[in-house]
Amino acid sequence: SQTIHQWPATLVQPVGSPLSLECTVEGTSNPNLYWYRQAAGRGLQLLFYSVGIGQISSEVPQNLSASRPQDRQFILSSKKLLLSDSGFYLCAWSVGSLQGWLFFGEGSRLTVL
Amino acid sequence: DQQVKQNSPSLSVQEGRISILNCDYTNSMFDYFLWYKKYPAEGPTFLISISSIKDKNEDGRFTVFLNKSAKHLSLHIVPSQPGDSAVYFCAASAPGGGGSNYKLTFGKGTLLTVNP
Repeated sequence: SQTIHQWPATLVQPVGSPLSLECTVEGTSNPNLYWYRQAAGRGLQLLFYSVGIGQISSEVPQNLSASRPQDRQFILSSKKLLLSDSGFYLCAWSVGSLQGWLFFGEGSRLTVL
Repeated sequence: DQQVKQNSPSLSVQEGRISILNCDYTNSMFDYFLWYKKYPAEGPTFLISISSIKDKNEDGRFTVFLNKSAKHLSLHIVPSQPGDSAVYFCAASAPGGGGSNYKLTFGKGTLLTVNP
């Protein structure tokens, strides 16, 4: 069966510090991978998605970046965090086009102080 | 520009009664709609979906209705149970190239509270 894991689960970082959130998927090949953010009062916002290794599409201009160094690994990064980067970050995967479902990880709570 | 709107941030119902969660969309290219349920500090989980070629899809206590002319869909939960208390997200996807068929656009969510 397919599983998705992301870490760390909770992170408290000072403004200006770097960020690295990692996500891995097991039990499937060539998944589409996504990073979403749930900020207070703003629902689920798509940040990045990837349909293959090294292929990253950015949805929202910001100081975050994403990378996909391996087929089932997706990393969300920042060189310098802002207060507005605080939120609940969710990694997700799907197979094929989205006439199907999106499966989410457990989420990572980031607090920037 | 918010393409998927859930105008009620919260809803409170009594156990055993019907819960109706509403969702409106503006993009006429959307052809597939989904509802996700989310508990605090967890990732959302898929609940039910509907294709634009249908106007109703039922799964146990959950029914989704789609009104394409009004660009409106709703989720009905009957009977409501305390365990249904969660945030419910409406989501939509569009076909075609440019990656649109790989993306879901979510609403802001509605917090449902079912009181015993």
